[in-house]
Parts: sequence; C-alpha cells; structure tokens
Amino acid sequence: EPEVTQTPSHQVTQMGQEVILRCVPISNHLYFYWYRQILGQKVEFLVSFYNNEISEKSEIFDDQFSVERPDGSNFTLKIRSTKLEDSAMYFCASSENREDGYTFGSGTRLTVV
Amino acid sequence: AQSVTQPDIHITVSEGASLELRCNYSYGATPYLFWYVQSPGQGLQLLLKYFSGDTLVQGIKGFEAEFKRSQSSFNLRKPSVHWSDAAEYFCAVGNFGNEKLTFGTGTRLTIIP
Repeated sequence: EPEVTQTPSHQVTQMGQEVILRCVPISNHLYFYWYRQILGQKVEFLVSFYNNEISEKSEIFDDQFSVERPDGSNFTLKIRSTKLEDSAMYFCASSENREDGYTFGSGTRLTVV
Repeated sequence: AQSVTQPDIHITVSEGASLELRCNYSYGATPYLFWYVQSPGQGLQLLLKYFSGDTLVQGIKGFEAEFKRSQSSFNLRKPSVHWSDAAEYFCAVGNFGNEKLTFGTGTRLTIIP
C-alpha cells in the first residue's frame, strides 16, 4: 500500500537553528499538509499546499515556518529559527482529493534543546 | 469554527469486550468526519470516514461508526476488541472548502487480558 515517508524520524536541534523536515507524499496525490502534535496534546493543523502554493495556514504557521515542494516528489517544512516550544511530532499528510481523507506519515519527532 | 470533543481521555476494556469511543463535533453544515488510530511511535492511520449517505460506516480492523446529526456525534464502535487495538484514537472533522482537519484530544485505549 502506498505510504507517505518522512525523514528523519527524530531530529534534535539547538534553539535558534534552522531545521528542514522532509516528506515524500504519495505520488499521485495533489494536496499536501503539515500537522504537529506537541507531547500530550492534540494534533494541530499547520498548513496545506496545493498547486505549488499555500492554500491555507493556521495561526501557528508564522513567518518562522515555510513549506516548499522543491521537485516532483519532496515536500518540506522549514523552521527558520527554532524555539523550545517547537518541540513536537510533525506529521506530513497527502491526499488525492480532500474527500478521501489524508494519508499521514509516521512523523518526525523534533526536539529543540 | 469547527471543533471536536472526545470526552473520554482514557478507556480500559477487557479483551473480547465491546467498545464505544465517543466523539461530538461542532459545525454548522454537514461535516466530513474521520476516525484515526495512532499506535505508540507511529503515524495516524485512517480507520474510517463519513461524508454522506449511509450514516453507519464500516472501517478497517472491524471498526464501525455511526453519524447522528441530531446528537452531533460520530461514535466509534467495535463488537469485540483485541489486544492489538490498544492505541490512541482520534476523531477529526473537516468540511468541503476548508483544507484543514480539526482533531479531538484523543482517547487512549488500554486492553486488559
């Protein structure tokens, strides 16, 4: 069964450093998303991406965050200057169309120290 | 704004017993409703979804859910749980024209022998 692949599975970074989280969505999917889950809390929407542009973003997704689809297969989330409160599990998801629901990756656990 | 409430933070069930996990949503129009399961250290796996039509939907792993508009509920059920069902379960709501899913806080399911 096709799956969404995320790398790395765990990343530790120092506060103030830039990180890039990588995702390979399912190949025929058109909609891409990032969500995050702070430990013990609910899964929160960050951003959606369609047709090479952001289609919606949450208030969490401020100027420190950016997304990119640099080629035909990867979808990345960049955090420019990490803060302690950015520590969370970050999930990438993709869908062929919104009605089918999303396929989520297994996540990248980001730890900011 | 759409919201989801999962009133049970933690449920313990004996193996072989029946299960019902509660989910209530708040949204003006007809929502899209989802149940996801998350095993420890894993991503979110889609169990089932409801968009329209038959209000009783069947999912994977023997789960089903019933949409009740009058109660704004979408409860997840399974007639007989297995030890492998131990996980965190998330209800989520979306709607046509809005990219994001809004998740509940999750219900942790523990199975005892």
